[in-house]
Amino acid sequence: RKEVEQDPGPFNVPEGATVAFNCTYSNSASQSFFWYRQDCRKEPKLLMSVYSSGNEDGRFTAQLNRASQYISLLIRDSKLSDSATYLCVVKLGGFKTIFGAGTRLFVKA
Amino acid sequence: DGGITQSPKYLFRKEGQNVTLSCEQNLNHDAMYWYRQDPGQGLRLIYYSQIVNDFQKGDIAEGYSVSREKKESFPLTVTSAQKNPTAFYLCASSLTADEQYFGPGTRLTVT
Repeated sequence: RKEVEQDPGPFNVPEGATVAFNCTYSNSASQSFFWYRQDCRKEPKLLMSVYSSGNEDGRFTAQLNRASQYISLLIRDSKLSDSATYLCVVKLGGFKTIFGAGTRLFVKA
Repeated sequence: DGGITQSPKYLFRKEGQNVTLSCEQNLNHDAMYWYRQDPGQGLRLIYYSQIVNDFQKGDIAEGYSVSREKKESFPLTVTSAQKNPTAFYLCASSLTADEQYFGPGTRLTVT
């Protein structure tokens, strides 16, 4: 079993749609959680950290469920510019970081 | 502008040659990292460094070497011992052990 698993997609959605991604992690000792966005052939960029209480940044909402060991990312009112690969990232402690393989999103007009 | 720079953007080498990838940051971050990304896979950690003159192996360090003589610089050498060196190499840095910030990457092709 992979340490961090994501549905690779692709998710194809129309503009304005709401889309949700889930990510599961295997190590219950995981301490920090993040979502990164990666455009084609570019570097990953931090989208948001994920807190136990859930957090929102504009159209983006991230949630953490420690009991079930998954995190989620919800994107509301999708824009064409949201098309990218979304990476789930889990920090175990210290400098040990595990990146998921990513979920591809295509938003179409 | 603060940030992380990697050079070159594209690099082509013949098999059997060592090659060094540059990574520089002016964010005053203590920690720096090297990752490798292959198509359809997550980033895999090659080496990381928490402070100057100290570095640790990551999950796939075989065939690679690094140095950290200055806080700002963390070059990666891909040696001829690396079996499958063709990949996208990403350098990152962080102030603490949390959020990492990435450079634009170097695409290495070895033929």
